[in-house]
Amino acid sequence: ETGVTQSPTHLIKTRGQQVTLRCSSQSGHNTVSWYQQALGQGPQFIFQYYREEENGRGNFPPRFSGLQFPNYSSELNVNALELDDSALYLCASSLQREATYEQYFGPGTRLTVT
Amino acid sequence: AQKVTQAQTEISVVEKEDVTLDCVYETRDTTYYLFWYKQPPSGELVFLIRRNSFDEQNEISGRYSWNFQKSTSSFNFTITASQVVDSAVYFCALNSNYQLIWGAGTKLIIKP
Repeated sequence: ETGVTQSPTHLIKTRGQQVTLRCSSQSGHNTVSWYQQALGQGPQFIFQYYREEENGRGNFPPRFSGLQFPNYSSELNVNALELDDSALYLCASSLQREATYEQYFGPGTRLTVT
Repeated sequence: AQKVTQAQTEISVVEKEDVTLDCVYETRDTTYYLFWYKQPPSGELVFLIRRNSFDEQNEISGRYSWNFQKSTSSFNFTITASQVVDSAVYFCALNSNYQLIWGAGTKLIIKP
């Protein structure tokens, strides 16, 4: 059973650019959630994808968007990058969309916006 | 609104000491789930435990134990005989529909 993987590990972008982060869910998991974690803080929920549809969204603007593919892997896209977007982006997969189930996290993508 | 508070920003102890990490939560839901995760310096969040609101029994797993008290809305985590490898940031979280609400985390430093 493979765990959750994310790519790339690190990324440096310039303000105004666009970025795509990728996540492969754990085998058998149909739900992927994305979180943003600023330095020294807890994760903040961005959105969740369940069976290829957005199933819930946190307090993030529309320039944060995503996709889930038939194999349940997922992408997070951020347009018009701002300095405050610098953070660790975490992807988590789970068996069901309800957050009553444990979520399994990938190693994260460290995004730096200059 | 749901909220999770971890008042201890950082705790530093010497190896083999016992240490307790506090977690206080707020929710209006009658059924809810609480979680603890560990985040080592590598950054990956590691699931430790899930507890539902109907199960108030304490849980012990090796050197780890959890004390859930609904009356005080607390879900505290104790590490017995701490080891250097326990050094990490520990997060408490509460479910809210499809997302987890996280505390700010407690950084635990175990000195040799």
